[in-house]
Amino acid sequence: KAGVTQTPRYLIKTRGQQVTLSCSPISGHRSVSWYQQTPGQGLQFLFEYFSETQRNKGNFPGRFSGRQFSNSRSEMNVSTLELGDSALYLCASSPGLFLNTEAFFGQGTRLTVV
Amino acid sequence: AQSVTQLDSQVPVFEEAPVELRCNYSSSVSVYLFWYVQYPNQGLQLLLKYLSGSTLVKGINGFEAEFNKSQTSFHLRKPSVHISDTAEYFCAVAYSGAGSYQLTFGKGTKLSVIP
Repeated sequence: KAGVTQTPRYLIKTRGQQVTLSCSPISGHRSVSWYQQTPGQGLQFLFEYFSETQRNKGNFPGRFSGRQFSNSRSEMNVSTLELGDSALYLCASSPGLFLNTEAFFGQGTRLTVV
Repeated sequence: AQSVTQLDSQVPVFEEAPVELRCNYSSSVSVYLFWYVQYPNQGLQLLLKYLSGSTLVKGINGFEAEFNKSQTSFHLRKPSVHISDTAEYFCAVAYSGAGSYQLTFGKGTKLSVIP
């Protein structure tokens, strides 16, 4: 069974640009969550999607958005990039919404904003 | 707001020695607790989780953790560490009633196993 796939693995962007990151969950998983990991703030929850609906959103500005497609693949978008957006962005998939289902993480996309 | 405190940012330990990584969480009526491990340039892997039942939870790679409600702690232990255990470990909490799968993580503890 293939794991969670995040593309691209590495990305370098310039301040002011926008970026789109992609996450393909494990086959059959319907829930996808996104987290931002930085040395200063650690791991912070961005948002969670289930069956194409955003179920939960973390405390991030509106520049951060996401969506989920009918095949459960998810994308997140960051507009008007700032230097502070440099981070490892992790995607996690799980079969459903409930906490007794394990979340499986991808390897992440490392975004560097210059 | 939910919070998780990992008391040690770095823990060096000699190979085959025991180790304890400490985690405290902010109190709530009902919580679910997790420990994840992250190897360099990798995502997170679940080591173990506490949802209910026995307060002693056994996980993969010989790790175990004990849920202590009165002390709001969920410390991770391993009786004998191996070089391959060198990684960063994250404690996480989710509160019942949150509905969807949202985890609040601690800042992480870097475990360095010294040969």
